[in-house]
Amino acid sequence: GEEVAQTPKHLVRGEGQKAKLYCAPIKGHSYVFWYQQVLKNEFKFLISFQNENVFDETGMPKERFSAKCLPNSPCSLEIQATKLEDSAVYFCASSQPEDRDDYGYTFGSGTRLTVV
Amino acid sequence: QKEVEQDPGPLSVPEGAIVSLNCTYSNSAFQYFMWYRQYSRKGPELLMYTYSSGNKEDGRFTAQVDKSSKYISLFIRDSQPSDSATYLCAMSVGTTGRRALTFGSGTRLQVQP
Repeated sequence: GEEVAQTPKHLVRGEGQKAKLYCAPIKGHSYVFWYQQVLKNEFKFLISFQNENVFDETGMPKERFSAKCLPNSPCSLEIQATKLEDSAVYFCASSQPEDRDDYGYTFGSGTRLTVV
Repeated sequence: QKEVEQDPGPLSVPEGAIVSLNCTYSNSAFQYFMWYRQYSRKGPELLMYTYSSGNKEDGRFTAQVDKSSKYISLFIRDSQPSDSATYLCAMSVGTTGRRALTFGSGTRLQVQP
């Protein structure tokens, strides 16, 4: 499809519970990015994939966060033992391979995670 | 100091006005520059992207990049109430592969009918 599909739209978890978010990139896009948006408009980069391989994980909190992009499956972002501070909107974006001239990054509509 | 600075606004203009939105940045390695529009509780929508310096026009939107000054702009002509949203600049370095975007904090625009 021509949109980045994120599920679920909303997720409520009690502190200490696990949260799992999903992202289906645009077909043909080989890069996937995860961002966390907190405090109005602050975007924090978490991790990116080139196909199923981790490309850049410099923003990823290693202790409780993990992510995967497996062939023929939506990409996922998992948070073990959620904390109140994990409450945010999590966005996924995808982009074409670098040999293409279209280098715009397309974002999904986000998953709003609320930890209570 | 943040790598990308953007005036948060709000910027309020009358319908039909020309809007100028700007960002400055400090990392000279940035090569790809984008502008996104984000409505409340929605995902960012890509408006324009440019590579290196220069201008690009698409309908009512014009993006300008001045790498010598580390300054980028988005102009919106004949602004409409439907343009009311938060505008985010974003940029990435030009090394191998698609690199993560660094965002400005966004400018909230209100177009008054």
